[in-house]
Amino acid sequence: KAGVTQTPRYLIKTRGQQVTLSCSPISGHRSVSWYQQTPGQGLQFLFEYFSETQRNKGNFPGRFSGRQFSNSRSEMNVSTLELGDSALYLCASSPQGLAGASYEQYFGPGTRLTVT
Amino acid sequence: GEDVEQSLFLSVREGDSSVINCTYTDSSSTYLYWYKQEPGAGLQLLTYIFSNMDMKQDQRLTVLLNKKDKHLSLRIADTQTGDSAIYFCAESSNAGNMLTFGGGTRLMVKP
Repeated sequence: KAGVTQTPRYLIKTRGQQVTLSCSPISGHRSVSWYQQTPGQGLQFLFEYFSETQRNKGNFPGRFSGRQFSNSRSEMNVSTLELGDSALYLCASSPQGLAGASYEQYFGPGTRLTVT
Repeated sequence: GEDVEQSLFLSVREGDSSVINCTYTDSSSTYLYWYKQEPGAGLQLLTYIFSNMDMKQDQRLTVLLNKKDKHLSLRIADTQTGDSAIYFCAESSNAGNMLTFGGGTRLMVKP
């Protein structure tokens, strides 16, 4: 099976712009989660989508949003970019576990976003 | 809120065993994970353990869980230079697929 794929791998944007990142989960996985990784804050959960619905949300401002399509592919959008949004954005996919709990989450290689 | 703590750095000699430790605060943690991240790469799932287990072994990897002390460890037997990476401990509760990560432990393996 192909792994989680993320596009683009690298991105440079200017403050104030917006950006859309894409994630294709492992075939058959219905849950997609997004994480932000920075040297200062480490790995932080952004949100999770399951069956096109946001199921969990982390503590990020409304400038960060996402969606999931019927084929489970997901996109995340960041509007009005700030310098502090520079980070590695990681997507993870998971099969549905018992009672909605996760047991295996597989990460993609990430999108490195640089905001200048 | 939930917190996961790890030591920052560990250095071992090739062929020795490595033990990476992690503590967590959320008593409702259901699954506990170990991930490996190499430079410029995403996270590789190494292993995970369910909270009703004490130990899990998978080839060179042994995970020990002390639920009373909320302490998790990852032992890598016969550590190789290719094991040099950052290792992250993570936990999730029954709230769904939301992982809380520790800050990562950088493992350096000296030949």
